[in-house]
Amino acid sequence: DGGITQSPKYLFRKEGQNVTLSCEQNLNHDAMYWYRQDPGQGLRLIYYSQIVNDFQKGDIAEGYSVSREKKESFPLTVTSAQKNPTAFYLCASQGVNEKLFFGSGTQLSVL
Amino acid sequence: EDQVTQSPEALRLQEGESSSLNCSYTVSGLRGLFWYRQDPGKGPEFLFTLYSAGEEKEKERLKATLTKKESFLHITAPKPEDSATYLCAVQDGETSRALTFGSGTRLQVQP
Repeated sequence: DGGITQSPKYLFRKEGQNVTLSCEQNLNHDAMYWYRQDPGQGLRLIYYSQIVNDFQKGDIAEGYSVSREKKESFPLTVTSAQKNPTAFYLCASQGVNEKLFFGSGTQLSVL
Repeated sequence: EDQVTQSPEALRLQEGESSSLNCSYTVSGLRGLFWYRQDPGKGPEFLFTLYSAGEEKEKERLKATLTKKESFLHITAPKPEDSATYLCAVQDGETSRALTFGSGTRLQVQP
């Protein structure tokens, strides 16, 4: 089945630690996105990539980093500089007519 | 700056009690308005895309409409399985390709 796979589903970060969230897609989409969702709030854009080896900052990029070495993969690293990382993280890819396809999300918590 | 405001924040309906959710938006040039459904702990699922004022789309008990300033998601005779958070998003055709999301409406349908 085609889709977006995010892992892990749950992740815990210790203070001062960097953690990486995985996002893989087999939809052959060029554009991929990372959003952050806090309880009771909408989705806020962290980073996006429209093509391999290129990416742009979104509205809340501070404390995060990404890479796009392959079309299928767009991992997100939450660095120790992100002081409030607890949130639900969603990865998406964009298909025809600008429609976004989302993964099932990763819940990140701080120990 | 693109803005999306959804109301109400939460809505509780009895099974069979029809209602409407509102999405007001401000965007330089609307490329598309999107409705998504999100269940707790999961990624959003695509419902509709609307492109121009006057456009309407239907799917089962849901009907989405669009004007130049807002969109409505009408729910006719809802069932408990319609309980979810409904998210509205816009894509600005004059800036980036990333969607701007509202904070959502949490719908609860009681039997």
